[in-house]
Amino acid sequence: AQSVTQLDSHVSVSEGTPVLLRCNYSSSYSPSLFWYVQHPNKGLQLLLKYTSAATLVKGINGFEAEFKKSETSFHLTKPSAHMSDAAEYFCVVSLPGFQKLVFGTGTRLLVSP
Amino acid sequence: NAGVTQTPKFRVLKTGQSMTLLCAQDMNHEYMYWYRQDPGMGLRLIHYSVGEGTTAKGEVPDGYNVSRLKKQNFLLGLESAAPSQTSVYFCASKNQGSRAYEQYFGPGTRLTVT
Repeated sequence: AQSVTQLDSHVSVSEGTPVLLRCNYSSSYSPSLFWYVQHPNKGLQLLLKYTSAATLVKGINGFEAEFKKSETSFHLTKPSAHMSDAAEYFCVVSLPGFQKLVFGTGTRLLVSP
Repeated sequence: NAGVTQTPKFRVLKTGQSMTLLCAQDMNHEYMYWYRQDPGMGLRLIHYSVGEGTTAKGEVPDGYNVSRLKKQNFLLGLESAAPSQTSVYFCASKNQGSRAYEQYFGPGTRLTVT
């Protein structure tokens, strides 16, 4: 079965410091993986996606993620956090057939001045 | 181009009441989805549709019904609301095709059942 595990429910960083949000996946075949972001009281927005092309994926707002098959990981990183990055982030795997999504439980990113 | 819209934004129901949530998209997408979001659980798929007139069950379909009479609309119904259905409901749509990966989400409907 396809699933994702987000290893941290909350991550706190200071503005200007690096961000690391961790995600491990479980899949019986080559997965499609995504990171979505949800700002308070908003819908979800796609940050980036991995679909079996390049293993280092660049997304919007300076975020990137690296697909590591040997570690079954898809961690999200950003070199320098900005206050506007404070949000909830979801790691997501796509099921085959109509591409239904399975969401992780989310990581809330807190950014302090 | 409004994207995905949801009506209403907020609703409070008493146990046993019924209601319908409306999702509309103006992107001519074939696929539409209903999710619920609960604290600490991420989003879970309730029902989905792969085209006008078709619906299918997702991960947590019990207590909900759906209809897709028009391509642009996807309705989620609660026939007899229960407190366990207190949640935030999100609708999403997606284009057809194996390379169309992104689901576009609406702003959500916050439902409270007392």
